[in-house]
Amino acid sequence: QKEVEQDPGPLSVPEGAIVSLNCTYSNSAFQYFMWYRQYSRKGPELLMYTYSSGNKEDGRFTAQVDKSSKYISLFIRDSQPSDSATYLCAMSTSGGYQKVTFGTGTKLQVIP
Amino acid sequence: DTAVSQTPKYLVTQMGNDKSIKCEQNLGHDTMYWYKQDSKKFLKIMFSYNNKELIINETVPNRFSPKSPDKAHLNLHINSLELGDSAVYFCASSPHGATNEKLFFGSGTQLSVL
Repeated sequence: QKEVEQDPGPLSVPEGAIVSLNCTYSNSAFQYFMWYRQYSRKGPELLMYTYSSGNKEDGRFTAQVDKSSKYISLFIRDSQPSDSATYLCAMSTSGGYQKVTFGTGTKLQVIP
Repeated sequence: DTAVSQTPKYLVTQMGNDKSIKCEQNLGHDTMYWYKQDSKKFLKIMFSYNNKELIINETVPNRFSPKSPDKAHLNLHINSLELGDSAVYFCASSPHGATNEKLFFGSGTQLSVL
């Protein structure tokens, strides 16, 4: 069993829809939770970053972390065709050098 | 003016060959990484260097040898290439390698072993 599980999709939604992307994890030591966006043939880029439990909002994006359930989510409001990409959840523990553990990514397509 | 650049972008080679991938970052970061992304998009860390010193070495076959001549450069040499080495290899950097830092990725090198 992988430390981080993520539904690979693909997920296809109409423009303007609310998108919900999720990951579950097994390592209770994870403290930092991130979402990276990866366009085709490009490297991942950091989209959202959360420490421990709670919500964080940035424009159309909201990240939620529920450590008691070991479950994290990314919500995209008013989705746009430019949001079409693969979304990778990522997590790391605190202390020591960074060793980020990634989910397998969910491919999202927003249809105009 | 790319922050993290890696070359080549594509690499097609035969089984058994030896190949190298180069990475350079102009962000002034102390820490650099190699990640491997397989065909299912699973991204896994291979190595990490901090100021030219190896700090993370995951269970990677010893056919893979990273080298960091200075903190702005991290190269990856692969000996005796195998079919299973086909993947996209990403170089990344972060300011100091701390667990709460953003990773800056290059655009990847797509390696195809025939």
